[in-house]
Amino acid sequence: AAGVIQSPRHLIKEKRETATLKCYPIPRHDTVYWYQQGPGQDPQFLISFYEKMQSDKGSIPDRFSAQQFSDYHSELNMSSLELGDSALYFCASSTSRDSYGSEQYFGPGTRLTVT
Amino acid sequence: ELKVEQNPLFLSMQEGKNYTIYCNYSTTSDRLYWYRQDPGKSLESLFVLLSNGAVKQEGRLMASLDTKARLSTLHITAAVHDLSATYLCGTSYGKLTFGQGTILTVHP
Repeated sequence: AAGVIQSPRHLIKEKRETATLKCYPIPRHDTVYWYQQGPGQDPQFLISFYEKMQSDKGSIPDRFSAQQFSDYHSELNMSSLELGDSALYFCASSTSRDSYGSEQYFGPGTRLTVT
Repeated sequence: ELKVEQNPLFLSMQEGKNYTIYCNYSTTSDRLYWYRQDPGKSLESLFVLLSNGAVKQEGRLMASLDTKARLSTLHITAAVHDLSATYLCGTSYGKLTFGQGTILTVHP
């Protein structure tokens, strides 16, 4: 079965550079979530999109922005990178069901290292 | 504020033993998920619990949900080394809010 695809899988950037992470949801999934997982921490919700509109926002820095495109893939844009942005970034997708959400399927993650 | 708390945070088990991981949540969403995560890897869905009294089993793992107590448990039976991983519970209201995770190590 098709899974969530994320690219790139690994990314090394320097401080103050920009990065773009991409997420391709499972076919027919209309909702995308982004999570950030720092070393030794649980995943923290950043932002989500439903039908190309932002549906919820968590602890996402102002330096980050994201969008969902007409083909439902999503991109997380990160600017003025800081050392503290080094983390695993997961994308998850689901189908909309109700306000509580339905099961989320996680992608393999992008490991971002900022030096 | 949504809160999900797991305990214990660290669990060292001997092979063949049984143990239970607890997950308390404070949300009104009685929809509870358990995930497994290996170091540096993605989250693998283990169980989805949607109603009070729900019990699901897969191999040596069994999860249950008590919505009145807002408590879920993950019971490990006769642990084996392959179960060594981090186990995360989470509750959703759209976005997932996770517990801190339980790092399980199974040793001979």
